[in-house]
Amino acid sequence: SQKIEQNSEALNIQEGKTATLTCNYTNYSPAYLQWYRQDPGRGPVFLLLIRENEKEKRKERLKVTFDTTLKQSLFHITASQPADSATYLCALLYNQGGKLIFGQGTELSVKP
Amino acid sequence: NAGVTQTPKFQVLKTGQSMTLQCAQDMNHNSMYWYRQDPGMGLRLIYYSASEGTTDKGEVPNGYNVSRLNKREFSLRLESAAPSQTSVYFCASSVPGRGATNEKLFFGSGTQLSVL
Repeated sequence: SQKIEQNSEALNIQEGKTATLTCNYTNYSPAYLQWYRQDPGRGPVFLLLIRENEKEKRKERLKVTFDTTLKQSLFHITASQPADSATYLCALLYNQGGKLIFGQGTELSVKP
Repeated sequence: NAGVTQTPKFQVLKTGQSMTLQCAQDMNHNSMYWYRQDPGMGLRLIYYSASEGTTDKGEVPNGYNVSRLNKREFSLRLESAAPSQTSVYFCASSVPGRGATNEKLFFGSGTQLSVL
């Protein structure tokens, strides 16, 4: 079965630095990969989607890369702010079965 | 525009009790989903409904039933609650039918369920 691994340890960084979160997967490559943000007590909110034939996607201060050779996606937040503190989830959709599978999330804390 | 609305927000049950979690979306989405979220486990799919009138099992369906009442509403029922069902439950919806290339999900704010 497919497995998704995100850094289980919280990531603590200083305001203004770039935060980089990792999402690794096993077996075959997904059709596309998504990143969500989740605040405490709230449901996840969609941020970005990247398809298997795309290497990189950007949205404002966010950047996502997708390396099908390494079976890895990196999620970057540049010029991070305390308001970026949240848990970030990656999710993969595979063509077979069409199920969206979520990682366990990585908690990001940006200190002023 | 309310998006995805879940009720209740909190619930405490005794083992063996039953209850129904309600979910409604006002975005005219075709697909709806129920997930549970446990510490260290990520979101796991319980059931989903690709369109009105259809439902399918997800990864962890045992102990649950669902009803797609109409296009807007998708309910999750626990017939005989067990402590292992203590979790946070999220309802979500998406625009296209299942398997399409744009499965961006819109989530509700969740139901915190404790089974004693």
